[in-house]
Amino acid sequence: DGGITQSPKYLFRKEGQNVTLSCEQNLNHDAMYWYRQDPGQGLRLIYYSQIVNDFQKGDIAEGYSVSREKKESFPLTVTSAQKNPTAFYLCASSIGPGGAGDTDTQYFGPGTRLTVL
Amino acid sequence: GQSLEQPSEVTAVEGAIVQINCTYQTSGFYGLSWYQQHDGGAPTFLSYNALDGLEETGRFSSFLSRSDSYGYLLLQELQMKDSASYFCAVWGLSGGSYIPTFGRGTSLIVHP
Repeated sequence: DGGITQSPKYLFRKEGQNVTLSCEQNLNHDAMYWYRQDPGQGLRLIYYSQIVNDFQKGDIAEGYSVSREKKESFPLTVTSAQKNPTAFYLCASSIGPGGAGDTDTQYFGPGTRLTVL
Repeated sequence: GQSLEQPSEVTAVEGAIVQINCTYQTSGFYGLSWYQQHDGGAPTFLSYNALDGLEETGRFSSFLSRSDSYGYLLLQELQMKDSASYFCAVWGLSGGSYIPTFGRGTSLIVHP
């Protein structure tokens, strides 16, 4: 079955620690995205990658870092510089890089709920 | 920048028809998408409009008017399982790339 997986489902972090959220897809999609969702809020774009070894900052990149060394993997690191990291994190992928029509459809993983203790 | 406005909550009864509106401001608009998200779950794609007019997919339809920067999602024959949050999203030009921006979501509550 093709799809996107995220792990772990729940993650607890102490203040001052960096944590890495995993995102893997076997859909052979070029583009991948990371979003943050707070209660009652929409999805805010953290980082996106349109191709391997390239990624761009989204609207709220401060305190986060990513890498895209393989097409199928796009891990997100939440650093200690992120002031309020408790949130629901969603990873998504799409066939194309955006602005291409129906290939813009995004497929989402199940999400990781991060809580800072 | 890009921004979207949609109502925060809509309520309706089973079997009814409901319309969720979305107005947007963006540069280099390419398309408007709609996603459904149940509590605690991942968003799932519902529909996409790049051209003006109505797109129908079963009980769900989506409309776009590019001249008015406006779209809506129409849900017919409402069922209890349609209770969820609905997000509109636009693809707009930013820094030479098309990137998606989501609205804050509309919580749809369907009553028996």
